[in-house]
Amino acid sequence: DGGITQSPKYLFRKEGQNVTLSCEQNLNHDAMYWYRQDPGQGLRLIYYSQIVNDFQKGDIAEGYSVSREKKESFPLTVTSAQKNPTAFYLCATMTGHREQYFGPGTRLTVT
Amino acid sequence: RKEVEQDPGPFNVPEGATVAFNCTYSNSASQSFFWYRQDCRKEPKLLMSVYSSGNEDGRFTAQLNRASQYISLLIRDSKLSDSATYLCVVMPSGTYKYIFGTGTRLKVLA
Repeated sequence: DGGITQSPKYLFRKEGQNVTLSCEQNLNHDAMYWYRQDPGQGLRLIYYSQIVNDFQKGDIAEGYSVSREKKESFPLTVTSAQKNPTAFYLCATMTGHREQYFGPGTRLTVT
Repeated sequence: RKEVEQDPGPFNVPEGATVAFNCTYSNSASQSFFWYRQDCRKEPKLLMSVYSSGNEDGRFTAQLNRASQYISLLIRDSKLSDSATYLCVVMPSGTYKYIFGTGTRLKVLA
């Protein structure tokens, strides 16, 4: 069963705590992406990785960190430095035809 | 000016109607274009890529106008299940980054 998995679906954290969101894919795609979506807004790019052991900042990377040690995995850490972390986080991969496919997302609530 | 602009709607149309959305983009060097559909509280799903010559997939037709820098999506014979937010996506040349519009909300009414 091929696809992109994100876990957990809902995540609750207290302010000041770091939290890591999981993204795993078995599509054999090289490129992976992290976005956040806030109510009524478009998706904004946090980080992306075109190949293992390499990644680039997106438009809103401050307060986030990533790693890409394996092709299948691209975890995102939301650090305590992120001022407004409550959002819907989406992970995506890109095919050779430049089409992106998304995981089901993680809704993070920080109080 | 936003890089990708869409009318947020909502567009309320009766079942069976034809509805069209436009999306304008500011970067004339944009290379690839897509329409995604997003249901409430779900992930976006690829509806169709948009090719220079225009393309059709069943009831959906997408067109690109490079001169005027817009893409369009036409939905014929609207179904209740077409109710969703439609996201316009542009990818500038020389990048692997998508630029998303904020989406156009469609409600198909019985």
